[in-house]
Amino acid sequence: AAGVIQSPRHLIKEKRETATLKCYPIPRHDTVYWYQQGPGQDPQFLISFYEKMQSDKGSIPDRFSAQQFSDYHSELNMSSLELGDSALYFCASSLGSGVTTDTQYFGPGTRLTVL
Amino acid sequence: KQEVTQIPAALSVPEGENLVLNCSFTDSAIYNLQWFRQDPGKGLTSLLLIQSSQREQTSGRLNASLDKSSGRSTLYIAASQPGDSATYLCAVRLRGFKTIFGAGTRLFVKA
Repeated sequence: AAGVIQSPRHLIKEKRETATLKCYPIPRHDTVYWYQQGPGQDPQFLISFYEKMQSDKGSIPDRFSAQQFSDYHSELNMSSLELGDSALYFCASSLGSGVTTDTQYFGPGTRLTVL
Repeated sequence: KQEVTQIPAALSVPEGENLVLNCSFTDSAIYNLQWFRQDPGKGLTSLLLIQSSQREQTSGRLNASLDKSSGRSTLYIAASQPGDSATYLCAVRLRGFKTIFGAGTRLFVKA
């Protein structure tokens, strides 16, 4: 079965650089979530999109932005990178229409290292 | 503000034992609760999702219950195996799409 695809899997950047993370949801899934997981921490909700519109927002820094495109893939753009941005970034997708049955399926994550 | 707590933080059991992992949340206004497992450095695998209107869900050796009024969920693992060793996370989805995770329970099953 098709799963959530994230690219790249690993990314190394310098401080103050910019990074773009991509997420391709499971086919027919219309909802995408982004999470940040620091070392030894639980995933922190950043932002979500439903039907290409931002649906909710969590603890996402102003330096980060995201969008969902017409083919439902999503990109997380991170600017002015800081050392503290080093983390695993997960994307999850679900078939969400506001009902309570939508299971979130996670991608393998992108490991971002900021030097 | 919704807070999710998981107890115990870590658990080591011999193979074959039945065990219970606990998850509590402070605000009962949730859409659903989902249990995941995470292997070190890997992604999250969905185990069970319980809708806010449901009391329990079962999948194989796993059974998850939800008591919204008391803000509690439990994950029961029957006949544990070494392959069950992982971190187990519960997550509650709030009104809208925001999802809050607990810190997880690290489980080690000894052969």
